[in-house]
Amino acid sequence: AQKVTQAQTEISVVEKEDVTLDCVYETRDTTYYLFWYKQPPSGELVFLIRRNSFDEQNEISGRYSWNFQKSTSSFNFTITASQVVDSAVYFCALRPLIQGAQKLVFGQGTRLTINP
Amino acid sequence: DTEVTQTPKHLVMGMTNKKSLKCEQHMGHRAMYWYKQKAKKPPELMFVYSYEKLSINESVPSRFSPECPNSSLLNLHLHALQPEDSALYLCASSQGQGNRGGFGAGVPYEQYFGPGTRLTVT
Repeated sequence: AQKVTQAQTEISVVEKEDVTLDCVYETRDTTYYLFWYKQPPSGELVFLIRRNSFDEQNEISGRYSWNFQKSTSSFNFTITASQVVDSAVYFCALRPLIQGAQKLVFGQGTRLTINP
Repeated sequence: DTEVTQTPKHLVMGMTNKKSLKCEQHMGHRAMYWYKQKAKKPPELMFVYSYEKLSINESVPSRFSPECPNSSLLNLHLHALQPEDSALYLCASSQGQGNRGGFGAGVPYEQYFGPGTRLTVT
């Protein structure tokens, strides 16, 4: 069975602070993909990153960075120098790479509020 | 154009009404999806269409009826809904269903989401 846990339901920080969103997953599959999506108040889910289970290199994209640690089954997301526009709900998701697996298994989401 | 559009943005309907949600994409994607998202919950997959054929139905009640008239359009017909069906309905599309490189290999196609239709059933 697959499961994604985002233990932080809500986080509130002041602008320019760094913030890390935690994601822990469970799967018995050896090959899988992990995703992060952003859902701003407008509603649409915005794809942020996709990472496969064999690539443990950390990734940085501007103010965003991701730390994938297979040993602890975690795929954490850090926003550096947060901005008000980063306020959104963030979902971590898992998808095994096996035949017939179509569904993204989402975590419950973390609501991030950046205060000016 | 990487946009998925959905109409209407908001819909209020009674339990005896019949209404339809519409989704459109012009990215040449051949897979389209309906998700349901309750407040403070993640999206739940409802249906997947691949090449205009229904590929996945996640045991959705028959009061929800999807339709894919062509490769750019996806409808969700609603009839005799219940108040608990009130939710945000998200449409998504992807280049293909499954993985680039075939099942069991390759990279999952990323899904592009529309802004959703917020449905209230009274």
